[in-house]
Amino acid sequence: GQSLEQPSEVTAVEGAIVQINCTYQTSGFYGLSWYQQHDGGAPTFLSYNALDGLEETGRFSSFLSRSDSYGYLLLQELQMKDSASYFCAVRSSASKIIFGSGTRLSIRP
Amino acid sequence: GAVVSQHPSRVICKSGTSVKIECRSLDFQATTMFWYRQFPKQSLMLMATSNEGSKATYEQGVEKDKFLINHASLTLSTLTVTSAHPEDSSFYICSARGLDSINEQFFGPGTRLTVL
Repeated sequence: GQSLEQPSEVTAVEGAIVQINCTYQTSGFYGLSWYQQHDGGAPTFLSYNALDGLEETGRFSSFLSRSDSYGYLLLQELQMKDSASYFCAVRSSASKIIFGSGTRLSIRP
Repeated sequence: GAVVSQHPSRVICKSGTSVKIECRSLDFQATTMFWYRQFPKQSLMLMATSNEGSKATYEQGVEKDKFLINHASLTLSTLTVTSAHPEDSSFYICSARGLDSINEQFFGPGTRLTVL
């Protein structure tokens, strides 16, 4: 079967750094994406990694290791508005993306 | 950035009725549109993928006769929930992808369906 594993919940302090891990097992792999979703809202695209290594976009960075079927999202200088659910997603074919179960990030002042 | 709209944002209906949800790409041509269902505090479950002008491809376990999908143009796809029942109550989200964004999907704001 196809599966993506990520922690269900993570708690961090405002201003700190947090890493959300994702391991995957899929029949095909084109790349790993990360999406952010606030309660009641739609997912918004954060990043996409097709090759191994670290991609940095402002306070957010995403890492991929294809040999380990592993990736992570790194959030720096956490702000209260970063409290949301974060989904990793694998593009397993030309037209299909499979989502993980989501990690709910709670940030304390 | 690319914008996707959905209508209605919220609908409440009686059991047995049909509900149509529209998904539009406002500033790009969506060659592929996806329909997802999301239950509270759960992940997005892909229901079907549709390409403009062709029949939708449904995921295993999704009844094609119950969830009718039409992708009539490069900017519009519709999902019709036929003979809705309370267990169909969920958050339905569409997403769209254009030729220039094969690695990224743009999501609509979602439609909250409540079946009484």
